[in-house]
Amino acid sequence: ETGVTQTPRHLVMGMTNKKSLKCEQHLGHNAMYWYKQSAKKPLELMFVYSLEERVENNSVPSRFSPECPNSSHLFLHLHTLQPEDSALYLCASSQGARPYSGNTIYFGEGSWLTVV
Amino acid sequence: KQEVTQIPAALSVPEGENLVLNCSFTDSAIYNLQWFRQDPGKGLTSLLLIQSSQREQTSGRLNASLDKSSGRSTLYIAASQPGDSATYLCAVSDTDKLIFGTGTRLQVFP
Repeated sequence: ETGVTQTPRHLVMGMTNKKSLKCEQHLGHNAMYWYKQSAKKPLELMFVYSLEERVENNSVPSRFSPECPNSSHLFLHLHTLQPEDSALYLCASSQGARPYSGNTIYFGEGSWLTVV
Repeated sequence: KQEVTQIPAALSVPEGENLVLNCSFTDSAIYNLQWFRQDPGKGLTSLLLIQSSQREQTSGRLNASLDKSSGRSTLYIAASQPGDSATYLCAVSDTDKLIFGTGTRLQVFP
């Protein structure tokens, strides 16, 4: 238990569906992240939020839409996905308001997404 | 552009063996380096964090070293156990990015 909780753990969705992934942390951290992990590829950073403001968007397709309503919650809204979007989506958080500011980064267990 | 490489990609050893996992990076201007463990189908667990000003960190049977000038880090696992079987990832950070390697998949057999 790292203190970062992700739901659902598994999700199967059709290409025309709309779904959301949820991430919750009660560690008092100020920065939250979404990463994508595909087979045999390094983790890819998707979005970074610091103090509820998006600070980084790594050229992610618009079919992925993040939302950070407060410092403890982070969502990833999904719509019109493609089969190649099937992957493990990991949420993470760290203490400093400045991302990567020398603090340990804590990951959730991930949400396995399959797009059919 | 920072690139992180981990060698070997996979490693299989008998229980009790001491082993070393390697991580190399191309740009020495890093903020810190972290080692993570990932069990199949699970998230990442942070093992050790080494700040750029440090040379090594230890936690139990794990020891991680950092040589910024040569762009290298090693993770030493003493007296390996079957429970150590997992994928080990290193990641380096500068002020605005955390770059991961592709990991070393370790199997420790009884």
